[in-house]
Amino acid sequence: DADVTQTPRNRITKTGKRIMLECSQTKGHDRMYWYRQDPGLGLRLIYYSFDVKDINKGEISDGYSVSRQAQAKFSLSLESAIPNQTALYFCATRGDSYTGELFFGEGSRLTVL
Amino acid sequence: QQQVKQSPQSLIVQKGGISIINCAYENTAFDYFPWYQQFPGKGPALLIAIRPDVSEKKEGRFTISFNKSAKQFSLHIMDSQPGDSATYFCAATTIQGAQKLVFGQGTRLTINP
Repeated sequence: DADVTQTPRNRITKTGKRIMLECSQTKGHDRMYWYRQDPGLGLRLIYYSFDVKDINKGEISDGYSVSRQAQAKFSLSLESAIPNQTALYFCATRGDSYTGELFFGEGSRLTVL
Repeated sequence: QQQVKQSPQSLIVQKGGISIINCAYENTAFDYFPWYQQFPGKGPALLIAIRPDVSEKKEGRFTISFNKSAKQFSLHIMDSQPGDSATYFCAATTIQGAQKLVFGQGTRLTINP
């Protein structure tokens, strides 16, 4: 089983709908991140969390919210989806290692019509 | 504002050739520069990383060259193989604090057999 699991892997929805992307991890890491990937723009940070009580905005948090339900679970919500939120979304975790390596899930592809 | 600029956006190299991807950064506080490799349908995975106290790091066929004064670093793939075909992202961050990785735009590398 994957260490970082994202659900759903693919989702098509309509403008105005509420969408939740879920992430769970078995690596025991405290730090969790949500990134968005768009062609030509790379990966951009949406939100990050250092523990259940610590949630922080990234560079593109507008239109998104998150919930850290437990150390192992970090969900990303789009309260009212719009077409320019069509993208590939990645959850990642990081341990306390000096290298700061991020461990990514396999991604959730979201299409907003 | 893109703090890490990556080029080229796409690159085609013949098998056995050298693949070179370049990145430039702006924030002089960055002190950790990883490269991530992403295969289709997968999340990015750490390939190799460098700290600014060295000018070069080599791991097998992969080498990072780092020029602190120019604020540039590059990935060299020697003897490129079809299995190296993937998207590559450079990134930068500070080891201390929030450790938010800032990614470049990505380079889609194709190695022709």
